[in-house]
Amino acid sequence: GESVGLHLPTLSVQEGDNSIINCAYSNSASDYFIWYKQESGKGPQFIIDIRSNMDKRQGQRVTVLLNKTVKHLSLQIAATQPGDSAVYFCAENRNSGYSTLTFGKGTMLLVSP
Amino acid sequence: DARVTQTPRDKVTEMGQEVTMRCQPILGHNTVFWYRQTMMQGLELLAYFRNRAPLDDSGMPKDRFSAEMPDATLATLKIQPSEPRDSAVYFCASGLGTGSVAGELFFGEGSRLTVL
Repeated sequence: GESVGLHLPTLSVQEGDNSIINCAYSNSASDYFIWYKQESGKGPQFIIDIRSNMDKRQGQRVTVLLNKTVKHLSLQIAATQPGDSAVYFCAENRNSGYSTLTFGKGTMLLVSP
Repeated sequence: DARVTQTPRDKVTEMGQEVTMRCQPILGHNTVFWYRQTMMQGLELLAYFRNRAPLDDSGMPKDRFSAEMPDATLATLKIQPSEPRDSAVYFCASGLGTGSVAGELFFGEGSRLTVL
């Protein structure tokens, strides 16, 4: 069935590096995407979102890129810090009479000092 | 500081017992979601309410799970009887959904359930 999936379950980087977390989605009707960060023992926390009429959106140290042609979403974190260590989820907004958020499996980002 | 509040944070119970998890959504939010998180399945949608009306509970085992919103400040998820396979972290999230977009969801800290 259609689902949101991630290419890399774990990403290890050095502090100061740029990180790129990828996400593939298969529902071409999805029109809104969100990246969430989940730290150990906590609930997912909103990072950044993007609508399907955009291909790039920037926040503070984070950038989300959307490629609708290949149904690919990425989260770029600049100058990664140890505090960025967490599991990152992409979520897609699906419409089937009403809208719900469907989450991918998640990628763990490990940042070494 | 508005936030989603969930209780209990941790619950250990024996198989067959009833479990009730509670959620206080952010005041003014019109959507409430219940998700279950496990290592194997990730975040699975269990139930979804908009303006207190249940719109989707297809992710819940109907024979043992039930979700309700008795009022705008309280959402409940009940499991009766509980089974070991129900062990997971259950998250409640609320948001301001419009017609076509679920929108940003604000998550609670979760209720960790262990069924022995």
